[in-house]
Amino acid sequence: EIVMTQSPATLSMSPGERATLSCRASHGINNNFAWYQQKPGQTPRLLIYGASTRATGVPDRFSGSESGTEFTLTISSLQSDDFAIYYCQQYNNWPRTFGQGTKVEIK
Amino acid sequence: EVELVESGGGLVQPGGSLRLSCAASGFTFNNYAMSWVRQAPGKGLEWVSTISGSGGSKYNADFAKGRFTISRDNSKDTLYLQMNSLRVEDTAVYYCTKDQDSYGYLAFANWGQGTLVTVSS
Repeated sequence: EIVMTQSPATLSMSPGERATLSCRASHGINNNFAWYQQKPGQTPRLLIYGASTRATGVPDRFSGSESGTEFTLTISSLQSDDFAIYYCQQYNNWPRTFGQGTKVEIK
Repeated sequence: EVELVESGGGLVQPGGSLRLSCAASGFTFNNYAMSWVRQAPGKGLEWVSTISGSGGSKYNADFAKGRFTISRDNSKDTLYLQMNSLRVEDTAVYYCTKDQDSYGYLAFANWGQGTLVTVSS
């Protein structure tokens, strides 16, 4: 099983700041990697797939990158709507696995 | 517009069974792999099971093997999850998801609103 490890667990930020979230895969996953956003009481939403491609309708302040087994989600300038929990996920191997989540909270 | 509507959740005793359904619309259902993902109260996301567009291939998490069965009826555009021998730790919101594209097994592009399964005596 591929283990996905997210850091940090919580990110305390102010609106307008740049946020950087990380996710590490325990083995190579060929960029078969996604980021999801989940706001309180809401359904998860696909943000990024293929490590760096934004899903339909996702603002361009969200960007994804990868370096080997390290993946990064950057939010260039946090908006009030962006405070949420972010999950990473690999879809290269079975079982599909998610990271434990990073909560982006208002400082 | 893609719409996924789950139903069938509820309260069940340990050892009991439930059948979840997910009615799909807004896309050619039999072209897409579909999955179930669950989320225990206050916890993260956990993949449960995936089925190919034709229904011929199925994949299950270890905890689901031998207890949960994913299936689909492409004539009714409906996905199912039959859950048997339920345990307290199966308590969660169960989401139906659609793959992002019609080839391979990819990211979960669309999610239903979820249905809550509570296993308790």
